[in-house]
Amino acid sequence: EDQVTQSPEALRLQEGESSSLNCSYTVSGLRGLFWYRQDPGKGPEFLFTLYSAGEEKEKERLKATLTKKESFLHITAPKPEDSATYLCAVQAVGGGSNYKLTFGKGTLLTVNP
Amino acid sequence: NAGVTQTPKFQVLKTGQSMTLQCAQDMNHEYMSWYRQDPGMGLRLIHYSVGAGITDQGEVPNGYNVSRSTTEDFPLRLLSAAPSQTSVYFCASSRRLAGDEQFFGPGTRLTVL
Repeated sequence: EDQVTQSPEALRLQEGESSSLNCSYTVSGLRGLFWYRQDPGKGPEFLFTLYSAGEEKEKERLKATLTKKESFLHITAPKPEDSATYLCAVQAVGGGSNYKLTFGKGTLLTVNP
Repeated sequence: NAGVTQTPKFQVLKTGQSMTLQCAQDMNHEYMSWYRQDPGMGLRLIHYSVGAGITDQGEVPNGYNVSRSTTEDFPLRLLSAAPSQTSVYFCASSRRLAGDEQFFGPGTRLTVL
């Protein structure tokens, strides 16, 4: 069974204080790993897709990396507007539900000014 | 494009009542899905569709029905609401069946008394 574990559950940073969020996963075969941002009362908003180990993607202050067992979302010099819950999800190759995403429980990031 | 739209935004039901949550997308996406989000549980897949006329069950399908008569619409029906179905429901769509990011709607917050 596909599993996704995110850590920490919550992270509080000062503005400008860089850090990383972790997503550990177990799948039979990885089709893709996805990062989403979710603001309170809203639907998840897509950030990145990573397909293979060694891949990296960047967007503004965010950088996502992927290994065979985990992914990191690095946040450089965060601002208060980066405060949100960050969700990680995997899509596996093969199995009964080829297309479903398995989500982690998320990391609640708070950036204080 | 409006993207993925959901109605209603909020709904309160009594135990045993039935209702339909509406979902529509205007991006001509093949794949659509329904998730529920509960505190501490992450997003869980209820049902999904890989095209008009084709649906299948996800992780937590009991108590829910779906149909897909058009590419654009994917309603979720609660046949006899139970308090355990109190949750936030998200509809999502993606262009391809596998490997593509899913775009989420704004959600419907459902309370069953």
